Amino acid sequence: SSELTQDPAVSVALGQTVRITCQGDSLRSYYASWYQQKPGQAPVLVIYGKNNRPSGIPDRFSGSSSGNTASLTITGAQAEDEADYYCNSRDSSGNHLGVFGGGTKLTVL
Amino acid sequence: EVQLVESGGGLVKPGGSLRLSCAASGFTFSSYSMNWVRQAPGKGLEWVSSISGSSSYIHYADSVKGRFTISRDNAKNSLYLQMNSLRAEDTAVYYCAKEGTDYDILTGYSYVFDIWGQGTLVTVSS
Repeated sequence: SSELTQDPAVSVALGQTVRITCQGDSLRSYYASWYQQKPGQAPVLVIYGKNNRPSGIPDRFSGSSSGNTASLTITGAQAEDEADYYCNSRDSSGNHLGVFGGGTKLTVL
Repeated sequence: EVQLVESGGGLVKPGGSLRLSCAASGFTFSSYSMNWVRQAPGKGLEWVSSISGSSSYIHYADSVKGRFTISRDNAKNSLYLQMNSLRAEDTAVYYCAKEGTDYDILTGYSYVFDIWGQGTLVTVSS
């Protein structure tokens, strides 16, 4: 079982805004990072830290955090954003262990 | 270009061993922590192991502790994962992933994986 909880599936109409959430105790103290994974491809980092985007990631991707919940928001979702999204952080034990959320399948309608 | 290329995957019988390699290029390898992350067929991502730039700090997921050994050779810009006593549940694509920073004595790993390899498939089956 994962210490970070994500909704298994979310859908959004083309051009609309969608928020994908990640819940876990460790998120009260540490930021989550977010990864996009398309079928047959390796994951790609899209958001890290408070709200940082790696070079090349469109600015329609943003991140936020409140309490034990981290959120990835896509403002104006595009067809190419359809993918699996994973959050990750460290576990809540303090034992330097990494943890991923179970992933959210985003469908763009 | 920053790049990670995994190799060494394949079919192995339960109880067998396999050694994965990850060749890094395009960055100062010794300055960053490195990780192995795996993904079972049709499943989500699972963190497996982390190693600091100098190999001074090493950590494993409970699911592989005592069976897997992570190591690195900074002179060869290479990361390794020695996998022993393999089980069917270890079947997965194994990715090596670079962290955005090195291990910090106060804060530990960042767990921000900014570069990933393409993955190598390990199948454990009789």
